[in-house]
Amino acid sequence: EDQVTQSPEALRLQEGESSSLNCSYTVSGLRGLFWYRQDPGKGPEFLFTLYSAGEEKEKERLKATLTKKESFLHITAPKPEDSATYLCAVQAGSGNTGKLIFGQGTTLQVKP
Amino acid sequence: GAVVSQHPSWVICKSGTSVKIECRSLDFQATTMFWYRQFPKQSLMLMATSNEGSKATYEQGVEKDKFLINHASLTLSTLTVTSAHPEDSSFYICSARDPGGGGYTFGSGTRLTVV
Repeated sequence: EDQVTQSPEALRLQEGESSSLNCSYTVSGLRGLFWYRQDPGKGPEFLFTLYSAGEEKEKERLKATLTKKESFLHITAPKPEDSATYLCAVQAGSGNTGKLIFGQGTTLQVKP
Repeated sequence: GAVVSQHPSWVICKSGTSVKIECRSLDFQATTMFWYRQFPKQSLMLMATSNEGSKATYEQGVEKDKFLINHASLTLSTLTVTSAHPEDSSFYICSARDPGGGGYTFGSGTRLTVV
């Protein structure tokens, strides 16, 4: 069964304290791994898509990496406005179903 | 990037009534849209895949007669929660594939509260 597990569930950081969020996945044929940011009461906001092991993408203070079994979202020198829930999702299987399987998310709180 | 507009952002309805939620793709056509549900402190769970001009595909355990999906045009999909009950209270979110390659774009969500 396809599965996505994120850790930790919650993370508290001081402003400027870098850290990483983990997304472990077990899928039959990875077609893409997605990272999203979700603020309370809002829909997920797209951050990155990774397709193959070794791929990396960056955007401001965020950097996403991918291996054959997991992905990391590295946050460098975070600011309070980076506080949100970060969701990892995978698209698996054959065909063009577009179905995403989401992890439970990591809720990040950055204190000034 | 692509924008998906969802309406309403919140709705309160009485138990037994029906509620319609709209999802529109702005500036792009979406032959396929996806409907998710998110309970408090939980992640998104796919409910159904909406296909323009054909029947929706429902995930296991989702009642198709309760959650009616209509995808009548290339820019509009609707989800109707029929005979709503308090346990249907949740955050409903739609999405579509960004044709520009930016992954899947999500709407802002609809908070449904059934009283």
